Amino acid sequence: QKEVEQNSGPLSVPEGAIASLNCTYSDRGSQSFFWYRQYSGKSPELIMSIYSNGDKEDGRFTAQLNKASQYVSLLIRDSQPSDSATYLCAVNQGTGGFKTIFGAGTRLFVKA
Amino acid sequence: GAGVSQSPSNKVTEKGKDVELRCDPISGHTALYWYRQSLGQGLEFLIYFQGNSAPDKSGLPSDRFSAERTGGSVSTLTIQRTQQEDSAVYLCASSVGTGYGYTFGSGTRLTVV
Repeated sequence: QKEVEQNSGPLSVPEGAIASLNCTYSDRGSQSFFWYRQYSGKSPELIMSIYSNGDKEDGRFTAQLNKASQYVSLLIRDSQPSDSATYLCAVNQGTGGFKTIFGAGTRLFVKA
Repeated sequence: GAGVSQSPSNKVTEKGKDVELRCDPISGHTALYWYRQSLGQGLEFLIYFQGNSAPDKSGLPSDRFSAERTGGSVSTLTIQRTQQEDSAVYLCASSVGTGYGYTFGSGTRLTVV
């Protein structure tokens, strides 16, 4: 079992729709969770961090965390063509851990 | 600096040659990480530095890879006797500390021919 799993996609949504990206992780002791956006040929860019169960909203982005189910998600409301990118779920190792394990990413296409 | 700076941005080298990749993290960031990303693949952890602690080298794929961080700031990743499978984008990132999100540099694209 991979440590951080994501559906590779591609996920295609129409402009203005909600895009839902999902991620599961295996280390039950993980404490920190992140979503990064990576445009083609560019480096990953941090867009959301979440540390406790529940929802965290930032503009059009909402991160959701459920530690009991070992599940993290990212919702993008009012999707725009500029949101088309690969979204990487990342999970920091459990207590005392130091490195972040990245999922392989989900490719998102937003159709105009 | 304003961001994480990596150099060179591109490097083409012949198989068997040694290469050095440089990373200058954001000022004040105590944690520095090296990852690599092969074409169409995810990010593979290589090595982590935190302050003056001994680095965690558990992700280095072979003893041809080494890294150092001088004065708690600039880091150099060295690959000796490069092989074609070393071709990838090498990404450096820094953060304010353990458990925080990263800021990535623009990467070094290494091509071994």
